[in-house]
Amino acid sequence: AQSVTQLDSHVSVSEGTPVLLRCNYSSSYSPSLFWYVQHPNKGLQLLLKYTSAATLVKGINGFEAEFKKSETSFHLTKPSAHMSDAAEYFCVVSPSGAGSYQLTFGKGTKLSVIP
Amino acid sequence: DVKVTQSSRYLVKRTGEKVFLECVQDMDHENMFWYRQDPGLGLRLIYFSYDVKMKEKGDIPEGYSVSREKKERFSLILESASTNQTSMYLCASSGAGTEVQETQYFGPGTRLLVL
Repeated sequence: AQSVTQLDSHVSVSEGTPVLLRCNYSSSYSPSLFWYVQHPNKGLQLLLKYTSAATLVKGINGFEAEFKKSETSFHLTKPSAHMSDAAEYFCVVSPSGAGSYQLTFGKGTKLSVIP
Repeated sequence: DVKVTQSSRYLVKRTGEKVFLECVQDMDHENMFWYRQDPGLGLRLIYFSYDVKMKEKGDIPEGYSVSREKKERFSLILESASTNQTSMYLCASSGAGTEVQETQYFGPGTRLLVL
C-alpha cells in the first residue's frame, strides 16, 4: 500500500521569496516520486521525478526536490517565486516494480504568489 | 512532445443522459487512464487500459465504463449521468516498460456539469 500526504493545502509567498511545498509518502516498495503542476483550467504538467538515481532532482522552471528516505519526504522548493508559479501542485508516488503504472496522488497544494 | 487531447473542454448534460468523453494520444503509448478531479480530493483513478480492448477498474469505477478499440483512443462513458458525476475529468497516457510507464502525460481536462 502507498499513500501521499501534502502537508499544506494552501501556501502563500511573496514574489521573489523562496517556495517550499511539503510532501510525505509511504510505500511498501522502493518508490518513484513525482511533482506535477496544474495551472487554472489546465491539465497536469510534469515538473520533476525521482526514480532512485540522484536524491536531489532538478525540474523545469527552477524547481527542485530532494528525496529523503529517512524522513519519507519529497519536498518541492524554488529559490525565488515568480507570479507565473501560482498554481496547484501535486505530489505523486508510484511503487517501482509490479503495477507501477498506478499512481497515488496527494490532495494538492495551492500556491499563491503575492506581488 | 507527447500530446494528449480530450474532445471537449466543457460539457453540460442532463441527468440520465449517456455521456461520452474521448481521449486521444499521439505517442503510441500502451497505457491510458481516466481520472476525476474534485476539490479537496485530488485525482482519483476511474479506469485504466494497458492494451487495446483491455481495461482495469481503478478506485472509483461505479457509474462509468470505458472503451479502447484503438491504441490511441480511450473513451469514458457515463451510462446514465447523475449530478454527483459533475467533475473535472482528466485523461492520461504512458508508455510500456519500467523506465517510462510511471510517467503519465495528461490532457487538458473536460469539465462536466450534470444538471
